Amino acid sequence: GDSVTQMEGPVTLSEEAFLTINCTYTATGYPSLFWYVQYPGEGLQLLLKATKADDKGSNKGFEATYRKETTSFHLEKGSVQVSDSAVYFCALSDRGFQKLVFGTGTRLLVSP
Amino acid sequence: DAGITQSPRYKITETGRQVTLMCHQTWSHSYMFWYRQDLGHGLRLIYYSAAADITDKGEVPDGYVVSRSKTENFPLTLESATRSQTSVYFCASSGVDLSSYEQYFGPGTRLTVT
Repeated sequence: GDSVTQMEGPVTLSEEAFLTINCTYTATGYPSLFWYVQYPGEGLQLLLKATKADDKGSNKGFEATYRKETTSFHLEKGSVQVSDSAVYFCALSDRGFQKLVFGTGTRLLVSP
Repeated sequence: DAGITQSPRYKITETGRQVTLMCHQTWSHSYMFWYRQDLGHGLRLIYYSAAADITDKGEVPDGYVVSRSKTENFPLTLESATRSQTSVYFCASSGVDLSSYEQYFGPGTRLTVT
């Protein structure tokens, strides 16, 4: 079945450092890909998405590119802030299905 | 309130008791979902619903019951709560967006079973 694999956390960075959180997927079809963010005590919010190969999703300085050849959707940000501290989830939904499949989440901790 | 709401936000119950978690959305979204979030597992789908009176099992449905008599409501019932059902429960909804199937999440209910 479909699955999403994310790097283990926590990822600990200093403010203004470069961020990469790796995400790879396995899918039988041609999925849409998502990054969701969960701030402490809150529900998940969509951060960005991409619906076809080579699409780049971007939001709030975060970017991720849909790489079909490597089945990856890595999240990047050039300069993180303390306010970016959260748990980040990579997810996919396969064509024709409304269900999302989530990775296990990666906690990001940014220190001043 | 606009959006998707869950109640209660926190609940402590005893083993064997029945408990119902409520979910309400104001967008008239067709699809609604229940997930549980546990350390090391991410989010796992319990049940989902494509429309009123249409529900289906997800990845971890055992011990849970759902109903959907109205489009806007999707309650989740634990018929006889067990300690293994201690978790954070999230409700989500999705419109019929054929481009991406984006889901919108509620704030969660933290359930503790003692």
